[in-house]
Amino acid sequence: GAGVSQTPSNKVTEKGKYVELRCDPISGHTALYWYRQSLGQGPEFLIYFQGTGAADDSGLPNDRFFAVRPEGSVSTLKIQRTERGDSAVYLCASSLMGPGDREAFFGQGTRLTVV
Amino acid sequence: GESVGLHLPTLSVQEGDNSIINCAYSNSASDYFIWYKQESGKGPQFIIDIRSNMDKRQGQRVTVLLNKTVKHLSLQIAATQPGDSAVYFCAERRYNQGGKLIFGQGTELSVKP
Repeated sequence: GAGVSQTPSNKVTEKGKYVELRCDPISGHTALYWYRQSLGQGPEFLIYFQGTGAADDSGLPNDRFFAVRPEGSVSTLKIQRTERGDSAVYLCASSLMGPGDREAFFGQGTRLTVV
Repeated sequence: GESVGLHLPTLSVQEGDNSIINCAYSNSASDYFIWYKQESGKGPQFIIDIRSNMDKRQGQRVTVLLNKTVKHLSLQIAATQPGDSAVYFCAERRYNQGGKLIFGQGTELSVKP
């Protein structure tokens, strides 16, 4: 597809379970960002990849959160031992080069609900 | 701490009127400010941006104004249409921090026909 694709669109999981959220960036984009958006709030930065490496993971809230991008394209956000407070929309964005780009393109997000 | 915030959480306008959405920021070192539109169930969509060394930028039906003296940003939408109904966020892009975006809370714009 032409845009950023995120799967699944919705995920309901039980407290304590492990979840994986996937992001397919725009083809050729080297920079990839994950954000988390709580209800009624603006997105909050989680982690930034430049190619395969995590260039900035300062937004990850704790060590239950981890993300990978092994081939520099698709990225997976992994959450262990989920808690009800992890419920939010997880957004992925990509841009062509990285910090100097004017525009980052967002996916539609994955709505995670922890029950 | 550093933040980008909005003055009003909701704004209701009549179709055809002009809309003005405001935003305050606190980081004087910001390089770029960006307005995003987010419709229900979708990710944020880029509308327009402005460099910190500019005070005005115009796009199609939208104008962004930057007042660095009072650290204030506004988005003006001319002849507002029902399709403009959405939540609007201002955001700051930090190039010295990998280009990550710092978002404000958002303003929900509702356009009445």
